[in-house]
Amino acid sequence: DQQVKQNSPSLSVQEGRISILNCDYTNSMFDYFLWYKKYPAEGPTFLISISSIKDKNEDGRFTVFLNKSAKHLSLHIVPSQPGDSAVYFCAASALTGANNLFFGTGTRLTVIP
Amino acid sequence: EAGVAQSPRYKIIEKRQSVAFWCNPISGHATLYWYQQILGQGPKLLIQFQNNGVVDDSQLPKDRFSAERLKGVDSTLKIQPAKLEDSAVYLCASSLGTSTYNEQFFGPGTRLTVL
Repeated sequence: DQQVKQNSPSLSVQEGRISILNCDYTNSMFDYFLWYKKYPAEGPTFLISISSIKDKNEDGRFTVFLNKSAKHLSLHIVPSQPGDSAVYFCAASALTGANNLFFGTGTRLTVIP
Repeated sequence: EAGVAQSPRYKIIEKRQSVAFWCNPISGHATLYWYQQILGQGPKLLIQFQNNGVVDDSQLPKDRFSAERLKGVDSTLKIQPAKLEDSAVYLCASSLGTSTYNEQFFGPGTRLTVL
């Protein structure tokens, strides 16, 4: 049972444009959400997070939006750069839990120079 | 600061054989995690340790998988005997504690191929 879903396996964007990666979740107990970035042959690295008390969190070129009623979050990258090309994983957790992360299946972003 | 270390990076075995993976977390990190990432899927938590105690092993197939963290530092994950469906990348991660706000730092993973 996939509790966190990323329905787009891949996305291609021109350099300088906006990249929008989407994520849906089903478990209403999730109240903390994270995005991880993964390059080939490396482990995932933390990118940005948001708790359910917010609907937006921004860090430089990266912004995460949370729509709790729709159980949906998205990651915006503006402007996109070739170095952003990687697999992006959405993950969710319950703050009352023991830091157990539930990951989506990932979206491969390719930024075309 | 050194990251999470894992070895080996790659392993190829035949089904029914045994295999072990090693992980050394970031110094001072009390919490250690083992994840399984099957091709095309996201990482799935297998087991979580807090120091040398198990916090959560509900997703660990205990008939064939075992893990230990005897001294509360490094950890080993073993599969005995391996099945074809165990082919995956095994990721180790560590964090300062079990709070959700504690960032998990991942190692590069061990890619296991079972033939």
